[in-house]
Amino acid sequence: DAGVIQSPRHEVTEMGQEVTLRCKPISGHNSLFWYRQTMMRGLELLIYFNNNVPIDDSGMPEDRFSAKMPNASFSTLKIQPSEPRDSAVYFCASSLHRGRDTQYFGPGTRLTVL
Amino acid sequence: DAKTTQPPSMDCAEGRAANLPCNHSTISGNEYVYWYRQIHSQGPQYIIHGLKNNETNEMASLIITEDRKSSTLILPHATLRDTAVYYCIVRVESTDKLIFGTGTRLQVFP
Repeated sequence: DAGVIQSPRHEVTEMGQEVTLRCKPISGHNSLFWYRQTMMRGLELLIYFNNNVPIDDSGMPEDRFSAKMPNASFSTLKIQPSEPRDSAVYFCASSLHRGRDTQYFGPGTRLTVL
Repeated sequence: DAKTTQPPSMDCAEGRAANLPCNHSTISGNEYVYWYRQIHSQGPQYIIHGLKNNETNEMASLIITEDRKSSTLILPHATLRDTAVYYCIVRVESTDKLIFGTGTRLQVFP
């Protein structure tokens, strides 16, 4: 199994630009999670989906952030417009089902906003 | 907020057992204890989880006290590749969330 796939692995952009991060969960997994990791705040859950439906987006920092899951094999996290404080590593994770199933994390996307 | 308390850092000699403690004094009866680790620049990796009984798998052992207020992750023979940040997480009941705290940075030295 290829595991969770994220792209790009690194993204450098300028303030005000739109950024789109992509995630392909493990095949057959029904839940997908987006996390953000910074030195100041650690690892925080932004949003998660179950069967392509957003369940909890309470961790999304503000309206500049949006996430979609158009089908079971693809999700995007978009930041528009981006700001320097959005610089972080963004991780996607998937699990087989909701609840206590193990979450498998992708390698992350390191975002730098200048 | 995370419901666990862990020491910020620990050292362990290669080949020796690494015992990582975690306090979760407010854990509820149906909440599980999970352990993940994050090797530098990689995504977190699942290690083990348990409810009340001790658990063992190919990576580690998990010892949970009888009152469930604390637990210990044991890496029986630490290697240099086990150098990582180890997160103890109480799985929030009725949600799917993993709430990560600050973890323990384990340094395995030769």
